[in-house]
Amino acid sequence: NAGVTQTPKFQVLKTGQSMTLQCAQDMNHNSMYWYRQDPGMGLRLIYYSASEGTTDKGEVPNGYNVSRLNKREFSLRLESAAPSQTSVYFCASSEFGPGELFFGEGSRLTVL
Amino acid sequence: AQSVTQPDIHITVSEGASLELRCNYSYGATPYLFWYVQSPGQGLQLLLKYFSGDTLVQGIKGFEAEFKRSQSSFNLRKPSVHWSDAAEYFCAVGGSSSASKIIFGSGTRLSIRP
Repeated sequence: NAGVTQTPKFQVLKTGQSMTLQCAQDMNHNSMYWYRQDPGMGLRLIYYSASEGTTDKGEVPNGYNVSRLNKREFSLRLESAAPSQTSVYFCASSEFGPGELFFGEGSRLTVL
Repeated sequence: AQSVTQPDIHITVSEGASLELRCNYSYGATPYLFWYVQSPGQGLQLLLKYFSGDTLVQGIKGFEAEFKRSQSSFNLRKPSVHWSDAAEYFCAVGGSSSASKIIFGSGTRLSIRP
């Protein structure tokens, strides 16, 4: 039972490079989320998808784009990475919008 | 706007002592409230949740929380902490709509004094 799987787990980028974080869940959940975690700031919501075919901005969407590819997959793209995007990124899913979140293991991104 | 405040950045308690972590939320309607724990180097795990009904909710690992609508609070408590409770604790709020997002507080780091 994999749950929520994120790839890659670690990535180092140079300023201006682009990359996509992949997330897949195998629990048939409707809602999926991307958060970033920074010291002293908790988890901040970047984007979420309440159901397949919908996406909405969270608290800190600038510099990011998302795609809900299908019910299982929700990707996060950085088009032009900046040092301020150095963070640990968590994908999460829930059966319905405000339900219990199941988290991936996190992806540590460093932008030089 | 939806928001969560955890006023205590870091708390240290002695093993065996009681614990209360504070959480205040802002939400325009009936909130759905959560407490999550993140142990060092680990992912996040749900401790307990409040959706409706009894305002005192029980969770895993001996934790409980009380929803107080008049104070917009959802404080987490444990009667006697164990060294293994050292972790970071996050309060979160969502709404009842299926399209509702879930917003987290900035977290409280709990240290246990032997």
